[in-house]
Amino acid sequence: QVQLQESGPQLVKPSETLSLTCTVSGGSISSGAYFWTWFRQPPGKTLEWIGYIYSDGSPYYNPSLESRVTISLDTSESQFSLQLYSVTAVDTAVYYCSRLRCSSSCSRGGIFDIWGQGTRLTVSS
Amino acid sequence: EIVMTQSPATLSLSPGDRATLSCRASESVGSYVAWLQQKPGQAPRILIYDTSIRATGIPARFSGSGSGTDFTLTISSLEPEDSAVYYCQQRSTGVTFGQGTRLDIK
Repeated sequence: QVQLQESGPQLVKPSETLSLTCTVSGGSISSGAYFWTWFRQPPGKTLEWIGYIYSDGSPYYNPSLESRVTISLDTSESQFSLQLYSVTAVDTAVYYCSRLRCSSSCSRGGIFDIWGQGTRLTVSS
Repeated sequence: EIVMTQSPATLSLSPGDRATLSCRASESVGSYVAWLQQKPGQAPRILIYDTSIRATGIPARFSGSGSGTDFTLTISSLEPEDSAVYYCQQRSTGVTFGQGTRLDIK
């Protein structure tokens, strides 16, 4: 059974870079029709898609965050990572990693079938 | 960006009632809509994907319908554990979520 676990700092200062890692256990990160995904959820608000990376290493980003985000895959460690640059208070949120499994098409639809428990991040000096 | 608008914002019902949650997209998203459930302090859980396909382990009382811009999640007979926030989500262009419907079971 595939499981995901986020790790990283709980507190980051404004203007710094946030680095989070999601460790995948119980399955391969480099095979299959999967997109390895980052979401976030500010306190009391809805979910926001940050981006995902396909199992072949191709990343796709939310246009609203694209200039500040890098998602990468480390197949040797069975991990994928998020870097968010120049953070501000509006980046304070719970960050989740998830797996998107393709259904009839990989370009649309599919199911975010597995989620990590989430990690709470605060941006503050 | 495709905006997903959910209604109502809050729904208060009793055990055994039928719940109907609505979601409207700002443009056609085909059949590429999912519904997720989130309880306080927990990660979201997928219920329905591609409009009407129940995820593994989801009870048959949860069903989804719709196409184009209008979608519905129906819970046929509410259980107390169905109290949660429900989000619709599209993956036709990028990925976006509705603002959520809070369902209270009293």
